[in-house]
Amino acid sequence: GAGVSQSPSNKVTEKGKDVELRCDPISGHTALYWYRQRLGQGLEFLIYFQGNSAPDKSGLPSDRFSAERTGESVSTLTIQRTQQEDSAVYLCASSLAGGPGETQYFGPGTRLLVL
Amino acid sequence: GEDVEQSLFLSVREGDSSVINCTYTDSSSTYLYWYKQEPGAGLQLLTYIFSNMDMKQDQRLTVLLNKKDKHLSLRIADTQTGDSAIYFCAESIWNTGNQFYFGTGTSLTVIP
Repeated sequence: GAGVSQSPSNKVTEKGKDVELRCDPISGHTALYWYRQRLGQGLEFLIYFQGNSAPDKSGLPSDRFSAERTGESVSTLTIQRTQQEDSAVYLCASSLAGGPGETQYFGPGTRLLVL
Repeated sequence: GEDVEQSLFLSVREGDSSVINCTYTDSSSTYLYWYKQEPGAGLQLLTYIFSNMDMKQDQRLTVLLNKKDKHLSLRIADTQTGDSAIYFCAESIWNTGNQFYFGTGTSLTVIP
């Protein structure tokens, strides 16, 4: 596609359930980023992939959060045993090679609500 | 992560200039960015400036960078109602990869 896509666009889940969020970056982009945006707050960096590997996992808030990327393309962010504080918009972005000064192209986000 | 701070709200009258300010803490940033987020829409890159520049102009947008004070501003000339949105300042730092840090966003309201 022409841009970054994410699915689902909205997800409502019960506390304690696992959720999986998907990101399809722009074709050919090797760098992929996940962010979280809580209501009324800025973007919080979660994890960054260069190809299929994640050199920087420092932003993952807890061990309930994990992410993987396969084929230098699709990435999934998994949240296990969801908590109410996980409710947020999860944004994915990609850039061409992850080099200095590259701009990121953002997807529309997945709105997660944990009841 | 690094601290990137912005004021939360700004209101201006249509036709006036808007100035949105941002401060950051890491002097090793390589690029600084302004993103726009309209209601119900994703983040859109507006403009960016390399950290060794002090000004960049792009149509109605002027970015000013004071590296000594670690202060970035975005000026929107002749602000229109369509400019109402949340504006995020961001910095990128090259470490083991291109790391991005975003501010909390400034909500701009343009009054007709």
